[in-house]
Amino acid sequence: EPEVTQTPSHQVTQMGQEVILRCVPISNHLYFYWYRQILGQKVEFLVSFYNNEISEKSEIFDDQFSVERPDGSNFTLKIRSTKLEDSAMYFCASSDGTSDTQYFGPGTRLTVL
Amino acid sequence: RKEVEQDPGPFNVPEGATVAFNCTYSNSASQSFFWYRQDCRKEPKLLMSVYSSGNEDGRFTAQLNRASQYISLLIRDSKLSDSATYLCAVPVGADGLTFGKGTHLIIQP
Repeated sequence: EPEVTQTPSHQVTQMGQEVILRCVPISNHLYFYWYRQILGQKVEFLVSFYNNEISEKSEIFDDQFSVERPDGSNFTLKIRSTKLEDSAMYFCASSDGTSDTQYFGPGTRLTVL
Repeated sequence: RKEVEQDPGPFNVPEGATVAFNCTYSNSASQSFFWYRQDCRKEPKLLMSVYSSGNEDGRFTAQLNRASQYISLLIRDSKLSDSATYLCAVPVGADGLTFGKGTHLIIQP
């Protein structure tokens, strides 16, 4: 069964550093998403991406965040100048667009020290 | 105003019992609803999609009450492996899903 994959599984970084989280969505899917989940809190929507551009973003997704689809398979989330409060699980999800159903990857745990 | 609200539990239920929990949503225009299951420190895994009055898949039944703006999840003949956090999700806006905080379910032997 096709699945969303994410790398790395765990990323540790120093405050102020840039990180890039990588995702490979399900191959025939057209819509891509990033969510985050701070430990003990709910899953929060960050951004959606379709046709090589952002289609929607939340208030959390400020100027320190950016997304990119650098090739036909990868979808990345870049966080510039990380803060302590960016520590969270970051989930990528994808959808084929025929329904609202989104399938999630295993997540990247980001720890900012 | 919270957009998706769930009873956090925990619900402690003996194995074999039936358990149900609800999720209320504020956006009356929502057309689709989702139940995800999340195990500790893992990703949400899709359990059921609900587009009309309800959906059934084996031991799991989801029902939608549009008038009262809630969806419910019923688990029959509960198994130890059903222990998890159950997340309700509703599209709010163009694409993103808004999740509830989840209901924690513990099935006891």
